[in-house]
Formats: sequence, structure tokens, C-alpha cells
Amino acid sequence: DAGVTQSPTHLIKTRGQQVTLRCSPKSGHDTVSWYQQALGQGPQFIFQYYEEEERQRGNFPDRFSGHQFPNYSSELNVNALLLGDSALYLCASSLGVGWQDEQYFGPGTRLTVT
Amino acid sequence: LAKTTQPISMDSYEGQEVNITCSHNNIATNDYITWYQQFPSQGPRFIIQGYKTKVTNEVASLFIPADRKSSTLSLPRVSLSDTAVYYCLVGGIQAGTALIFGKGTTLSVSS
Repeated sequence: DAGVTQSPTHLIKTRGQQVTLRCSPKSGHDTVSWYQQALGQGPQFIFQYYEEEERQRGNFPDRFSGHQFPNYSSELNVNALLLGDSALYLCASSLGVGWQDEQYFGPGTRLTVT
Repeated sequence: LAKTTQPISMDSYEGQEVNITCSHNNIATNDYITWYQQFPSQGPRFIIQGYKTKVTNEVASLFIPADRKSSTLSLPRVSLSDTAVYYCLVGGIQAGTALIFGKGTTLSVSS
């Protein structure tokens, strides 16, 4: 049973560019959440998708957007990249939108903005 | 959403029991308490979750007093591989809220 997978593993972009990160949830899970983790910090919640809709959103600007597909996989898009967007981006899947539902995290995508 | 406070770091030796306490004074009635473990360059991993009293699984125990304003994660007989960051989170079915990770507790286990 495959767990949460993310692609790519690493990515280097230039300021002002746009990036798309991808996530496939654990088999049977219908909810995907995205987090940004800067070095030395805990993961910060970006948004959560369920039934192809954004259900909850953290304190991130509109430059961060997402999408969930019918097969429950998800994309995170970041426009107009800033140096401060450099971080580990984590995807987590769960069955249900409640925060008491165990979240399974992927290995993350390391984004470096130069 | 309840804010949590936990020690920044803890040190231990192999074979010892480690207890990490988390404070969550503003926990809501329908909030659960969940602990995650994270190794460097990996995503967090669920350890244990509870609502009240005591919960035990094959990895850890979670002690929650009656007032639920704190919780203690207990790791029995730690090994070097338990060196990681441990996060305490609280949350429940609350529309419009976010799951908030603090900085966590960095546990260092030495031989």
C-alpha cells in the first residue's frame, strides 16, 4: 500500500517564477492538506482540499493556490516566487476533514528560490 | 484554536523513559490531543492521539488529566533512533480552523 507521494523531490526556481508541486494521497484517503516548513520551524498549514474544494486555509497570500483532482491527488501552485518561499513543502492526506483524523505526511518537496 | 506550549529541547540516554509535557490551557471541548514525530528531511509521523485519561499504543503513552489543560507524552526506554522533534497539537472538527504546529520539542538521545 503506497503512502503519500510527492513530486518533485527537489526544485530550484528563480524569484518571480511560478512553481507547481504534486501530491498523491495514501490509498483510500480523500482529504489533502499542504504545509510549508521553513528551516528550524514547525510545519505551517497552507490549505486543505476535500471533494475538490478548498475547505480551510491558513494565513498564506493568494499567490498560493491549489487544486484537487477527482482521484484525490492534489497540486500546490505558487506564483511570483519570493526568496522567503524557500522551504520544505509537505503534503498530508487523511480520511475526513476533522483535525482529529490522523494525517499521513509525504516526504516533502524541497523548494529553493534564488 | 488552542495554542500549545512545550519545552524547546530535552536530552536523554538510551534505555530511559522520557516524558514530554505540553500545555494547552485554552483547549476546546471537542479538541483532540495529537502528537507527531519528525526526523530531519522527513514529514511528521503520527505517534498517538487522545481525548482524555490515558491512551497507550505500541510506541508511546499519552496521559491527559481531567481538566485537559495539559498532556504528557511518555516514551518508554528510548533508543538513539528516537532522536527527533516531537510536536503536540490540539484540534477537532471546527470549521475554518487550522492545524497549528509549534516549534516542537527536540529530543536528543545519547548512548
